[in-house]
Amino acid sequence: GENVEQHPSTLSVQEGDSAVIKCTYSDSASNYFPWYKQELGKRPQLIIDIRSNVGEKKDQRIAVTLNKTAKHFSLHITETQPEDSAVYFCAASRSGGYQKVTFGTGTKLQVIP
Amino acid sequence: GAVVSQHPSRVICKSGTSVKIECRSLDFQATTMFWYRQFPKQSLMLMATSNEGSKATYEQGVEKDKFLINHASLTLSTLTVTSAHPEDSSFYICSARKGGSGTGNTIYFGEGSWLTVV
Repeated sequence: GENVEQHPSTLSVQEGDSAVIKCTYSDSASNYFPWYKQELGKRPQLIIDIRSNVGEKKDQRIAVTLNKTAKHFSLHITETQPEDSAVYFCAASRSGGYQKVTFGTGTKLQVIP
Repeated sequence: GAVVSQHPSRVICKSGTSVKIECRSLDFQATTMFWYRQFPKQSLMLMATSNEGSKATYEQGVEKDKFLINHASLTLSTLTVTSAHPEDSSFYICSARKGGSGTGNTIYFGEGSWLTVV
């Protein structure tokens, strides 16, 4: 099955700096890669996703890059703000209704004001 | 986006009793729903995949007789923790896959349910 590794497990940045979280996956058939933000005790919220036919996707301060050959993808947050502090999870999945989503271990991001 | 509602958000039960948690997709039909368990400061651990109209597919190590899953309709899946014990106390969260062309089968999560077994 799929195995998703995520690094780093914790990340502290100064407000205004950039943050980068990296994930690798093992299943070359995975073609959908979402990123979720989870605040303590709350549900994970989808913040951005990318499909395998695209190398990069950007939404305001958030961007995701995908390298299919190397089987890794990254989340980039620019101009970080205190409200970006949360746990971020990457995930990988094949397409198809019954395909399960495999999550990374999470990165706790702390943005220091 | 899409809305997935989970109920109850918090429940306290006595050891030995059973607890049912509901997961509903409010504005879309979900042929597949997923149930996760999350321990403090850890990732989401997939327990089972719930398929409408058929038996759930459980992950290795998850007791199917203890964690009963029923996906009775395209908008409702339930998780019943039977004969609960204190070690079952955890944050349980469901998700539903919204399919259809162009959506990429995006996963949306419910609010989660805090279960405390005393």
